[in-house]
Amino acid sequence: GEEVAQTPKHLVRGEGQKAKLYCAPIKGHSYVFWYQQVLKNEFKFLISFQNENVFDETGMPKERFSAKCLPNSPCSLEIQATKLEDSAVYFCASSQFDAVSNQPQHFGDGTRLSIL
Amino acid sequence: SQELEQSPQSLIVQEGKNLTINCTSSKTLYGLYWYKQKYGEGLIFLMMLQKGGEEKSHEKITAKLDEKKQQSSLHITASQPSHAGIYLCGADKAPGAQKLVFGQGTRLTINP
Repeated sequence: GEEVAQTPKHLVRGEGQKAKLYCAPIKGHSYVFWYQQVLKNEFKFLISFQNENVFDETGMPKERFSAKCLPNSPCSLEIQATKLEDSAVYFCASSQFDAVSNQPQHFGDGTRLSIL
Repeated sequence: SQELEQSPQSLIVQEGKNLTINCTSSKTLYGLYWYKQKYGEGLIFLMMLQKGGEEKSHEKITAKLDEKKQQSSLHITASQPSHAGIYLCGADKAPGAQKLVFGQGTRLTINP
């Protein structure tokens, strides 16, 4: 598609439950990124993929967070045993591959995760 | 902590007035991106700057990157209600790093 599509728009989970978020990148884009936006617009990079391969996972909390980008499927971000502090808006972005320079990242509308 | 400092944090201007938002880094910026966010929505890509001294314009919005590549400004001419929102600058952490760091955003309100 022409836009990054994220589902669901809102997700409510009880503390300790699992949460799974989905992202369909723009067709033809090789890179997919996940960011977490918490209070005061602070964005935190979580993980990036180049096609189905993890490119950079330095921002991912090691224990409960996992992500995948499999061929012919939306990318996913899964949080096991959610905690109150996981409440945030999770944004997915995608960009084209360019061997010379980085290309702008195009963002989806985000998934608002509320942990009760 | 934010690696990019934006100023001001909020801005209220009368419709039709010009305004400028600044984005400053203590380190060289390898790629500087301006985005706009409305509440409940994603980030809309506005412009990308990569070269020192570069300037780009789209409709009434102009973005500049200084020669040292440590400061960028976003200028809106003759502001309209449609310009209201949160403006964020983002930057590549390193060449080819493929992950962005963001400023804390500037909330722009346009009064009719």
